[in-house]
Amino acid sequence: SAVISQKPSRDICQRGTSLTIQCQVDSQVTMMFWYRQQPGQSLTLIATANQGSEATYESGFVIDKFPISRPNLTFSTLTVSNMSPEDSSIYLCSVEKGSPYEQYFGPGTRLTVT
Amino acid sequence: AQSVSQHNHHVILSEAASLELGCNYSYGGTVNLFWYVQYPGQHLQLLLKYFSGDPLVKGIKGFEAEFIKSKFSFNLRKPSVQWSDTAEYFCAVISNNTDKLIFGTGTRLQVFP
Repeated sequence: SAVISQKPSRDICQRGTSLTIQCQVDSQVTMMFWYRQQPGQSLTLIATANQGSEATYESGFVIDKFPISRPNLTFSTLTVSNMSPEDSSIYLCSVEKGSPYEQYFGPGTRLTVT
Repeated sequence: AQSVSQHNHHVILSEAASLELGCNYSYGGTVNLFWYVQYPGQHLQLLLKYFSGDPLVKGIKGFEAEFIKSKFSFNLRKPSVQWSDTAEYFCAVISNNTDKLIFGTGTRLQVFP
């Protein structure tokens, strides 16, 4: 398994500003993922972040809006840029560990944009 | 489009009742199936998984799930629920075509003592 922490745990931000969310894992992992969980909805994959390469974004998500860094095998950041109220969500990072496709999730960052 | 459906959005049970939560997916080909649980105030945790072999898989806390390929289903079951099972349950699927974990919309389970 893996122990994952995220910072901040929650934040309230003004429209038009940006927030960077940090994800730290207790062991080295190759694949890290960022998800969004909008109110009352399921988790949606934003992007896959592998160390040493550019993040791969899913349809509907772009690098300008959600830039991701992956400087090493235990850390990643997701920035939510130029925020609007529609960005209010829980943002979660996860890692693949153990069996292929088996993912472990962080506690999430609850973002509210006013 | 590939999708995962959880038909029960909110389930309310009394302790000791039996539980079955439905999960259906729309992928063809080889799939890997998961149930995740999120207890109040906690993060998502893996409850059980199916990769291959015996279609009846057992997970933590007395939960089990059965993969029925012909029905594209992976229903979660527990013979006797406890108050501590109150949580949100998510079914998720990865197919060998996409390598992406696709989640269902979740089922909120409330168990009353």
